[in-house]
Amino acid sequence: RKEVEQDPGPFNVPEGATVAFNCTYSNSASQSFFWYRQDCRKEPKLLMSVYSSGNEDGRFTAQLNRASQYISLLIRDSKLSDSATYLCVVNVMIYNQGGKLIFGQGTELSVKP
Amino acid sequence: GAVVSQHPSWVICKSGTSVKIECRSLDFQATTMFWYRQFPKQSLMLMATSNEGSKATYEQGVEKDKFLINHASLTLSTLTVTSAHPEDSSFYICSARDYRTSGTSYNEQFFGPGTRLTVL
Repeated sequence: RKEVEQDPGPFNVPEGATVAFNCTYSNSASQSFFWYRQDCRKEPKLLMSVYSSGNEDGRFTAQLNRASQYISLLIRDSKLSDSATYLCVVNVMIYNQGGKLIFGQGTELSVKP
Repeated sequence: GAVVSQHPSWVICKSGTSVKIECRSLDFQATTMFWYRQFPKQSLMLMATSNEGSKATYEQGVEKDKFLINHASLTLSTLTVTSAHPEDSSFYICSARDYRTSGTSYNEQFFGPGTRLTVL
């Protein structure tokens, strides 16, 4: 079983749609959680951190449920520029090594006019 | 701030040659740098964690004799792919962690732009 699993995608949606991404993680030592965005042939860029209380940044809302080890990202009023691959990422603390990031396989989003 | 560069951005080489990729933190000191590999349509896979002044820690399944990592200063880590073969063709990405957050649970990493390696 993969440590971080996401919806396989791709998601093809019209502009203005609301899109939800789901992610589960298996390592209970996971301490911090993030959503990254990766454009084709580019490096991943941090979209937002995810907190237990849930957090919002404009059209983007992220939620974390530690009990069920589940993370979500909601994009409202999607724009053409939101087209990218969305990566669910967890930070796992390793004794004497600090933290390391574990990436999900990504869910591709394509927003059409 | 928090800029990480990689060089080269792309490289094409013949099978059997060695390729060196540099990762630099430009405006901060990085006690720890990470090397990832990403095959097409797959996610980033951590290859190794590189700590300044000490040996790198490799993930399971990554050959340390094939992927040589050197982290000689707080701003530079290098990855050398030795005797590269076509199956090593991939997108190699480094990231760096600001030393000021080392040892804390918060682990912001800053990613380089990646190096696309094609082995013929």
